[in-house]
Amino acid sequence: EVQLVESGGLLVKPGRSLRLSCITSGFTIEDYAMTWLRQAPEKGLEWVGFIRSKLYGGTTEYAASVKGRFTISRDDSKSIAYLEMDSLKTEDTAVYYCARGRWTQIRSTRYYFDFWGQGTLVTVSS
Amino acid sequence: QSVLTQPPSVSAAPGQRVTISCSGSSSNIEDNYVSWYQQFPGTAPKLLIYDDDKRPSGIPDRFSGSKSGTSATLGITGLQTGDEADYYCGTWDRSLRAAVFGGGTKLTVL
Repeated sequence: EVQLVESGGLLVKPGRSLRLSCITSGFTIEDYAMTWLRQAPEKGLEWVGFIRSKLYGGTTEYAASVKGRFTISRDDSKSIAYLEMDSLKTEDTAVYYCARGRWTQIRSTRYYFDFWGQGTLVTVSS
Repeated sequence: QSVLTQPPSVSAAPGQRVTISCSGSSSNIEDNYVSWYQQFPGTAPKLLIYDDDKRPSGIPDRFSGSKSGTSATLGITGLQTGDEADYYCGTWDRSLRAAVFGGGTKLTVL
């Protein structure tokens, strides 16, 4: 059974750092595009970024709103994906979801999220 | 301001059919595959449709997806009160090099 469980969400002050973890089971993490998404209170879904599968080089992409501040990585031996967040801003307050992504790119790009974690709340406030 | 445009809300009676539109551009919907997600309050989103029109196992055939040009559509037939949720479309944008979503549509089953 595929499972993703996020942890690490906290109340933090602006400018601080935080690391979220996504513990996975039931699949081989390196074979998938591990993705982080977020949802601010009463708002829609926002893609944060992802790390490509090993087949696609394990490279990363980020939303413009977090590029240079957030870093996504994974530990294949532990089946854990991470989201390292630096220089946090109040507008980063959201529920953060980890999702298993399917990303392939030939002529068109196929990218969707077939399994999601339950989410972890990050609140950035002084 | 979302890259993809969805109506904020739609409504229909039980048993009826409803469609939710998702409008984009040549750099996202027209060029790439679209997916749809269902989200109930306080829970994580769930994949409903991928690759424009495919359903994951376990998703009833009351849910369907289609795409034409720069727009995609989610269709739900035989509406049930349990279908009341928020629905999001998503795809990849080659210009932004990012995944993009619609703002979400709240479905009310009257």
